[in-house]
Amino acid sequence: GQQVMQIPQYQHVQEGEDFTTYCNSSTTLSNIQWYKQRPGGHPVFLIQLVKSGEVKKQKRLTFQFGEAKKNSSLHITATQTTDVGTYFCAGYSGGGADGLTFGKGTHLIIQP
Amino acid sequence: DGGITQSPKYLFRKEGQNVTLSCEQNLNHDAMYWYRQDPGQGLRLIYYSQIVNDFQKGDIAEGYSVSREKKESFPLTVTSAQKNPTAFYLCASDSSGANVLTFGAGSRLTVL
Repeated sequence: GQQVMQIPQYQHVQEGEDFTTYCNSSTTLSNIQWYKQRPGGHPVFLIQLVKSGEVKKQKRLTFQFGEAKKNSSLHITATQTTDVGTYFCAGYSGGGADGLTFGKGTHLIIQP
Repeated sequence: DGGITQSPKYLFRKEGQNVTLSCEQNLNHDAMYWYRQDPGQGLRLIYYSQIVNDFQKGDIAEGYSVSREKKESFPLTVTSAQKNPTAFYLCASDSSGANVLTFGAGSRLTVL
């Protein structure tokens, strides 16, 4: 079945440093989504990428979808303590409601 | 405000007991899902339902059961057959076709 690999598992940064998490799928995706889960909270949808090579920005967050639609990245510029949490990618391969596969997430830890 | 309500937030169970987790949504979404989250494992799909009175097994359905008698409600029963039930359980929904998930706050089940 479809697999979605996400790296790194943990990332420690100093406040103000940049952060990037990467997601790779074993199959070509119809779209990829990113979610953020704060400590003790639940996942919250951030964005969906659909087109090959697509780049979207949300303030300090930049999301990219690869040309082959098999990989994606999330980059945060100048991290702040509010960015702490786990970032999940989820790849959708089509075929119905069970076609969404989550990566294992990247835990972002920020040291002030 | 529209959203998903899960209850209880915390639940303790003795081995051999069945427990039922509640999930109610007022988003008028057709599709509903149950995910299990374990440390370092990401989100794994237990069951999903795209329409009332119909549901499908996900990747890890063994030891679980669900019902979908109303559009708003999708309760999950963790049976005594589930070998490792201690986990964080997340209910989600989406408007059909969008595959973008809205999550509830989760229920944390601990087996004593």
